Amino acid sequence: AQSVTQLGSHVSVSEGALVLLRCNYSSSVPPYLFWYVQYPNQGLQLLLKYTSAATLVKGINGFEAEFKKSETSFHLTKPSAHMSDAAEYFCAVSDGTGANNLFFGTGTRLTVIP
Amino acid sequence: GAGVSQSPSNKVTEKGKDVELRCDPISGHTALYWYRQSLGQGLEFLIYFQGNSAPDKSGLPSDRFSAERTGESVSTLTIQRTQQEDSAVYLCASSAGQGGNQPQHFGDGTRLSIL
Repeated sequence: AQSVTQLGSHVSVSEGALVLLRCNYSSSVPPYLFWYVQYPNQGLQLLLKYTSAATLVKGINGFEAEFKKSETSFHLTKPSAHMSDAAEYFCAVSDGTGANNLFFGTGTRLTVIP
Repeated sequence: GAGVSQSPSNKVTEKGKDVELRCDPISGHTALYWYRQSLGQGLEFLIYFQGNSAPDKSGLPSDRFSAERTGESVSTLTIQRTQQEDSAVYLCASSAGQGGNQPQHFGDGTRLSIL
């Protein structure tokens, strides 16, 4: 079975500061991992994905995430927060078999303080 | 349009009524998913369609929920005899295939409110 745990339902950072959103996964097979962002009243937009190629994955809007098998983690980072980064972020895992449906974490709401 | 389109964007109805939600996937995407996003439950998988194969209904919460898809095009999610706990945002996603490296692209959702 697959699952993800996102530590911290709310994270606040100052504009220009490092953004770190944590995600740990559980999977019985090599996982596919995704980060999505959701702005108010919108659907989910894909930020980046890990599909067993490079362990450091770069996504849109300056975000990146590193797959660490030993730590079962896939934390999302951005060197310098921008006001427009304020949103809710979801980590998701799939095993790539069967329906390939995504199992989502509970989300982390990011607030950027001017 | 280029993205996944869902309608209506908002739906308010009385308890006990039936509702129908629509999803237009990205053209050419063979896989289509429905998810539900509600307070306290996060994002839950409901149902999955892949081409002409039998759908995976394992996530449907009760027999009041059903969904159809015609070929590789439009899908409708129907909730019969709605209950207040059905209030949520219903999200549709499509992908180019069912492989794990195929990301899912989401619509903006339908916000359903049951009075």
